[in-house]
Amino acid sequence: DIQMTQSPSTLSASVGDRVTITCRASQSITNWLAWYQQKPGKAPKLLIYKASSLQSGVPSRFSGSGSGTEFTLTISSLQPDDFATYYCQHYNSYWWTFGQGTKVEIK
Amino acid sequence: QVQLMESGGGLVKPGGSLRLSCAASGFTFSDYYMNWIRQTPGKGLEWVSYISSRGNTIFYADSVKGRFTISRDNAKKSLYLQMNSLRVDDTAVYYCAREFRGSSSDWGQGILVTVSS
Repeated sequence: DIQMTQSPSTLSASVGDRVTITCRASQSITNWLAWYQQKPGKAPKLLIYKASSLQSGVPSRFSGSGSGTEFTLTISSLQPDDFATYYCQHYNSYWWTFGQGTKVEIK
Repeated sequence: QVQLMESGGGLVKPGGSLRLSCAASGFTFSDYYMNWIRQTPGKGLEWVSYISSRGNTIFYADSVKGRFTISRDNAKKSLYLQMNSLRVDDTAVYYCAREFRGSSSDWGQGILVTVSS
């Protein structure tokens, strides 16, 4: 089974900071990777699909990159609404595997 | 707009059964693959099951295979998850999710299933 490992687990940042979260796969997954944002008590919200495609309606400060085994989610200028937990997710035909999450906290 | 609404959760004893439902609206339900995904504080997000648009292709995570059954009724625009032989570690918030290019653009609000004696 492919394992997805996110880093860091927690990130402290300030409004306006550039933030980068990394997701590493235990083997190559080409570009079948998505990123979600989740706030307490809410369902995950899709930000990025197929590694770098911005989901409709998501602000352009969010971007995704990478292929193979290493992927990144970047928030170019952190906004107050962005403090949340972020998850990566790999798609393998029908099987989904999630990373363990990265909590972005206020510094 | 797309809406997915789960129901049927609650408290059940180990070994018991529950049937979750997910009512869909705002899109052509019969055109989409659907998934059940669950979330626990300890294990995070876990994919549970997948069903194709016509219901003829189904997959399960190893952790639920043989105990859970996914199904759908396209006429009723509804997705189901029959959960039998429930265990304490099945305790989670369960989400139904519409598949979109290897991910999910739409999730329900989630429904809590608690397995406890």
